[in-house]
Amino acid sequence: NAGVTQTPKFRILKIGQSMTLQCTQDMNHNYMYWYRQDPGMGLKLIYYSVGAGITDKGEVPNGYNVSRSTTEDFPLRLELAAPSQTSVYFCASRQRGQGVNEKLFFGSGTQLSVL
Amino acid sequence: AQTVTQSQPEMSVQEAETVTLSCTYDTSESDYYLFWYKQPPSRQMILVIRQEAYKQQNATENRFSVNFQKAAKSFSLKISDSQLGDAAMYFCAYRYLNGNTGKLIFGQGTTLQVKP
Repeated sequence: NAGVTQTPKFRILKIGQSMTLQCTQDMNHNYMYWYRQDPGMGLKLIYYSVGAGITDKGEVPNGYNVSRSTTEDFPLRLELAAPSQTSVYFCASRQRGQGVNEKLFFGSGTQLSVL
Repeated sequence: AQTVTQSQPEMSVQEAETVTLSCTYDTSESDYYLFWYKQPPSRQMILVIRQEAYKQQNATENRFSVNFQKAAKSFSLKISDSQLGDAAMYFCAYRYLNGNTGKLIFGQGTTLQVKP
Protein backbone atom coordinates (compact mmCIF):
# COMPACT_ATOMS: atom_id res chain seq x y z
CA ASN A 1 0.00 0.00 0.00
CA ALA A 2 1.14 3.52 -0.76
CA GLY A 3 -0.50 4.86 2.42
CA VAL A 4 -0.96 8.65 2.45
CA THR A 5 0.52 10.43 -0.54
CA GLN A 6 1.06 14.17 -0.60
CA THR A 7 2.08 16.27 -3.57
CA PRO A 8 4.07 18.36 -4.12
CA LYS A 9 6.90 17.82 -1.63
CA PHE A 10 8.20 21.36 -2.00
CA ARG A 11 6.72 24.56 -3.39
CA ILE A 12 7.58 28.24 -3.45
CA LEU A 13 4.72 30.67 -3.95
CA LYS A 14 4.60 34.39 -4.44
CA ILE A 15 2.34 36.45 -2.22
CA GLY A 16 -1.21 36.39 -3.58
CA GLN A 17 -0.80 33.23 -5.63
CA SER A 18 -3.07 30.25 -5.19
CA MET A 19 -2.34 26.55 -5.07
CA THR A 20 -3.78 23.21 -4.07
CA LEU A 21 -1.97 20.71 -1.92
CA GLN A 22 -3.01 17.22 -2.89
CA CYS A 23 -3.56 14.35 -0.47
CA THR A 24 -4.62 10.83 -1.38
CA GLN A 25 -4.92 7.72 0.74
CA ASP A 26 -5.52 4.18 -0.48
CA MET A 27 -6.54 2.61 2.83
CA ASN A 28 -10.26 3.46 2.63
CA HIS A 29 -9.97 5.56 5.77
CA ASN A 30 -12.97 7.60 6.85
CA TYR A 31 -11.10 10.33 8.67
CA MET A 32 -8.65 12.70 7.06
CA TYR A 33 -6.83 15.70 8.49
CA TRP A 34 -4.68 18.61 7.42
CA TYR A 35 -2.09 19.91 9.86
CA ARG A 36 0.52 22.63 9.54
CA GLN A 37 3.82 22.65 11.37
CA ASP A 38 5.65 25.92 11.78
CA PRO A 39 9.43 25.76 12.37
CA GLY A 40 10.25 24.28 15.76
CA MET A 41 6.59 24.01 16.67
CA GLY A 42 3.93 21.37 17.02
CA LEU A 43 1.24 20.49 14.54
CA LYS A 44 -1.91 22.56 14.35
CA LEU A 45 -5.11 21.28 12.80
CA ILE A 46 -6.35 23.24 9.80
CA TYR A 47 -9.31 21.20 8.58
CA TYR A 48 -10.60 17.69 8.95
CA SER A 49 -13.13 15.36 7.37
CA VAL A 50 -15.02 12.40 8.80
CA GLY A 51 -16.15 11.12 5.43
CA ALA A 52 -16.87 12.04 1.84
CA GLY A 53 -18.86 15.27 1.65
CA ILE A 54 -18.24 16.19 5.30
CA THR A 55 -15.59 18.69 6.35
CA ASP A 56 -15.07 20.93 9.34
CA LYS A 57 -12.69 23.59 10.60
CA GLY A 58 -9.84 22.91 12.94
CA GLU A 59 -7.76 25.32 15.03
CA VAL A 60 -6.31 27.46 12.22
CA PRO A 61 -8.62 27.38 9.16
CA ASN A 62 -8.30 30.98 8.01
CA GLY A 63 -6.85 31.31 4.52
CA TYR A 64 -7.58 27.69 3.58
CA ASN A 65 -10.36 25.65 2.04
CA VAL A 66 -10.91 21.93 1.65
CA SER A 67 -13.21 19.54 -0.12
CA ARG A 68 -13.84 15.82 0.21
CA SER A 69 -15.65 14.57 -2.88
CA THR A 70 -14.26 11.04 -2.55
CA THR A 71 -13.05 8.87 0.32
CA GLU A 72 -9.54 8.84 -1.11
CA ASP A 73 -8.86 12.52 -1.76
CA PHE A 74 -8.69 15.51 0.56
CA PRO A 75 -7.12 18.52 -1.18
CA LEU A 76 -6.20 21.70 0.68
CA ARG A 77 -6.61 24.97 -1.18
CA LEU A 78 -4.72 28.20 -0.49
CA GLU A 79 -6.48 31.05 -2.29
CA LEU A 80 -4.30 34.10 -1.60
CA ALA A 81 -0.97 32.96 -0.27
CA ALA A 82 0.54 35.02 2.54
CA PRO A 83 3.98 34.80 4.19
CA SER A 84 2.26 33.58 7.38
CA GLN A 85 1.33 30.41 5.49
CA THR A 86 4.97 29.41 5.12
CA SER A 87 5.01 26.05 6.87
CA VAL A 88 5.21 22.30 6.45
CA TYR A 89 1.82 20.79 5.74
CA PHE A 90 0.91 17.27 6.73
CA CYS A 91 -2.05 15.24 5.62
CA ALA A 92 -3.10 12.31 7.81
CA SER A 93 -5.78 9.67 7.84
CA ARG A 94 -7.16 6.98 10.09
CA GLN A 95 -9.88 4.39 10.13
CA ARG A 96 -12.94 4.79 12.32
CA GLY A 97 -13.66 2.57 15.27
CA GLN A 98 -10.27 1.26 16.30
CA GLY A 99 -10.27 2.87 19.71
CA VAL A 100 -6.91 3.41 21.30
CA ASN A 101 -5.38 0.90 18.88
CA GLU A 102 -5.94 3.36 16.10
CA LYS A 103 -3.01 4.60 14.16
CA LEU A 104 -2.82 7.93 12.44
CA PHE A 105 -1.10 7.59 9.08
CA PHE A 106 0.80 10.66 7.98
CA GLY A 107 1.97 11.76 4.58
CA SER A 108 5.56 12.88 4.11
CA GLY A 109 4.66 16.54 4.20
CA THR A 110 4.75 19.52 1.84
CA GLN A 111 7.27 22.27 2.51
CA LEU A 112 5.64 25.53 1.39
CA SER A 113 7.38 28.89 1.29
CA VAL A 114 5.50 32.09 0.48
CA LEU A 115 7.80 34.93 -0.56
CA ALA B 1 -10.39 24.06 24.94
CA GLN B 2 -7.95 21.27 25.36
CA THR B 3 -4.28 22.21 25.36
CA VAL B 4 -1.06 20.22 25.45
CA THR B 5 2.14 21.69 26.85
CA GLN B 6 5.67 20.43 26.49
CA SER B 7 7.84 22.66 28.62
CA GLN B 8 11.22 21.33 27.43
CA PRO B 9 12.08 22.69 23.97
CA GLU B 10 15.33 20.70 23.94
CA MET B 11 16.78 17.78 25.87
CA SER B 12 20.00 15.83 25.55
CA VAL B 13 21.02 12.40 26.78
CA GLN B 14 24.12 10.28 26.64
CA GLU B 15 23.88 7.13 24.60
CA ALA B 16 22.71 4.16 26.73
CA GLU B 17 21.31 6.42 29.45
CA THR B 18 17.71 7.24 30.35
CA VAL B 19 15.83 10.43 29.61
CA THR B 20 12.34 11.63 30.49
CA LEU B 21 10.32 14.04 28.36
CA SER B 22 7.54 15.97 30.06
CA CYS B 23 4.01 16.66 28.88
CA THR B 24 1.03 18.21 30.61
CA TYR B 25 -2.43 18.75 29.24
CA ASP B 26 -5.59 20.51 30.15
CA THR B 27 -9.00 18.95 29.69
CA SER B 28 -12.34 18.73 31.41
CA GLU B 29 -13.05 15.31 29.92
CA SER B 30 -12.58 12.03 31.73
CA ASP B 31 -12.14 9.73 28.76
CA TYR B 32 -9.46 10.39 26.19
CA TYR B 33 -6.30 9.00 24.64
CA LEU B 34 -2.74 10.25 24.88
CA PHE B 35 0.07 9.62 22.43
CA TRP B 36 3.75 10.25 21.90
CA TYR B 37 4.90 10.71 18.31
CA LYS B 38 8.48 10.85 17.07
CA GLN B 39 9.54 13.02 14.15
CA PRO B 40 13.11 12.36 12.89
CA PRO B 41 14.79 14.75 10.44
CA SER B 42 13.05 12.89 7.60
CA ARG B 43 9.80 14.60 8.80
CA GLN B 44 8.07 11.25 9.02
CA MET B 45 5.64 11.04 11.98
CA ILE B 46 6.07 7.79 13.91
CA LEU B 47 3.77 6.63 16.69
CA VAL B 48 5.85 5.72 19.74
CA ILE B 49 3.33 4.86 22.42
CA ARG B 50 -0.30 5.40 23.40
CA GLN B 51 -2.31 5.42 26.60
CA GLU B 52 -6.00 5.17 27.41
CA ALA B 53 -7.05 7.58 30.12
CA TYR B 54 -9.24 5.05 31.91
CA LYS B 55 -6.34 2.63 32.31
CA GLN B 56 -4.21 3.28 35.36
CA GLN B 57 -1.47 0.97 34.16
CA ASN B 58 1.30 2.83 32.37
CA ALA B 59 1.87 1.82 28.76
CA THR B 60 5.23 0.36 27.70
CA GLU B 61 6.74 -0.38 24.31
CA ASN B 62 10.17 -1.94 24.53
CA ARG B 63 12.52 0.85 25.69
CA PHE B 64 9.73 3.41 25.83
CA SER B 65 7.38 3.81 28.77
CA VAL B 66 5.10 6.48 30.11
CA ASN B 67 4.26 7.87 33.52
CA PHE B 68 0.58 8.74 33.32
CA GLN B 69 -0.73 10.80 36.21
CA LYS B 70 -4.38 11.49 35.42
CA ALA B 71 -5.14 13.70 38.41
CA ALA B 72 -2.11 15.83 37.68
CA LYS B 73 -2.83 15.73 33.93
CA SER B 74 0.71 14.67 33.26
CA PHE B 75 2.00 12.23 30.63
CA SER B 76 5.77 11.90 30.54
CA LEU B 77 7.79 9.67 28.22
CA LYS B 78 10.77 7.71 29.49
CA ILE B 79 13.33 6.42 27.01
CA SER B 80 15.66 3.82 28.46
CA ASP B 81 19.01 2.74 27.00
CA SER B 82 18.94 5.69 24.60
CA GLN B 83 20.22 5.03 21.10
CA LEU B 84 21.52 7.38 18.43
CA GLY B 85 18.43 6.60 16.38
CA ASP B 86 16.24 8.06 19.12
CA ALA B 87 17.40 11.55 18.21
CA ALA B 88 14.32 13.34 16.93
CA MET B 89 11.57 15.75 17.82
CA TYR B 90 8.99 14.20 20.13
CA PHE B 91 5.40 15.34 20.28
CA CYS B 92 2.87 14.65 22.96
CA ALA B 93 -0.69 14.50 21.63
CA TYR B 94 -4.16 14.36 23.11
CA ARG B 95 -7.18 12.92 21.40
CA TYR B 96 -10.53 13.69 22.81
CA LEU B 97 -13.40 11.36 22.15
CA ASN B 98 -16.26 13.83 22.00
CA GLY B 99 -18.06 13.50 18.68
CA ASN B 100 -15.62 10.83 17.53
CA THR B 101 -13.87 13.18 15.12
CA GLY B 102 -10.51 11.78 16.13
CA LYS B 103 -8.79 15.13 16.22
CA LEU B 104 -5.33 15.17 17.78
CA ILE B 105 -4.09 18.17 19.74
CA PHE B 106 -0.29 18.35 19.68
CA GLY B 107 2.18 19.91 22.05
CA GLN B 108 4.98 22.15 20.84
CA GLY B 109 7.51 19.36 20.73
CA THR B 110 10.79 18.49 22.44
CA THR B 111 13.94 18.06 20.41
CA LEU B 112 16.00 15.19 21.78
CA GLN B 113 19.72 15.04 21.13
CA VAL B 114 21.56 11.77 21.80
CA LYS B 115 25.27 12.12 22.43
CA PRO B 116 27.61 9.23 21.57
